[in-house]
Amino acid sequence: EAGVAQSPRYKIIEKRQSVAFWCNPISGHATLYWYQQILGQGPKLLIQFQNNGVVDDSQLPKDRFSAERLKGVDSTLKIQPAKLEDSAVYLCASSLKDTQYFGPGTRLTVL
Amino acid sequence: AQSVTQLGSHVSVSEGALVLLRCNYSSSVPPYLFWYVQYPNQGLQLLLKYTSAATLVKGINGFEAEFKKSETSFHLTKPSAHMSDAAEYFCAVSDGNAGNMLTFGGGTRLMVKP
Repeated sequence: EAGVAQSPRYKIIEKRQSVAFWCNPISGHATLYWYQQILGQGPKLLIQFQNNGVVDDSQLPKDRFSAERLKGVDSTLKIQPAKLEDSAVYLCASSLKDTQYFGPGTRLTVL
Repeated sequence: AQSVTQLGSHVSVSEGALVLLRCNYSSSVPPYLFWYVQYPNQGLQLLLKYTSAATLVKGINGFEAEFKKSETSFHLTKPSAHMSDAAEYFCAVSDGNAGNMLTFGGGTRLMVKP
């Protein structure tokens, strides 16, 4: 069974630029999550989707971050414009029941 | 609200020694508890989980954890450390509902000395 796929794996941008990350969850997993993991910290949930609807986005900085999950499968997370403090690893996870399975993450560096 | 505290951001053990990584949680509802491992430049891999069945949970790579409600703890152990166990370990809690949102601890970096 294929795992959660994410791309790109690494991205370097300058502040005020925009960036987008892509996630393809495990087939059949209805729930999809995006996390932000700052160096030296545990992951923090940004947004959770159930199929193509948002369940929780209370910790998503909506002035600059947006996410969508068209057709309830793939998802994209966008940052526009990026700030220095957005440098982090962005993890995507999916779940069918009580266990989340994580992708390899996208490491974003904002200069 | 739920929270997780992992005591010790860095733990160092000798190869062959006991591994003990501590995790305490707070939750207003019966929790589901998880341990994940993260190797450099990789995502999180599930080690084991507690979802209200047996309190002693066995996971992959020889790890196990015991749920102790009275102590609100879910410590991770392994009898004998191997060099390949060197990684970052995260404890997480969810309430089993509300989409199973995970709250993570700050992580513990395990170093294994030869």
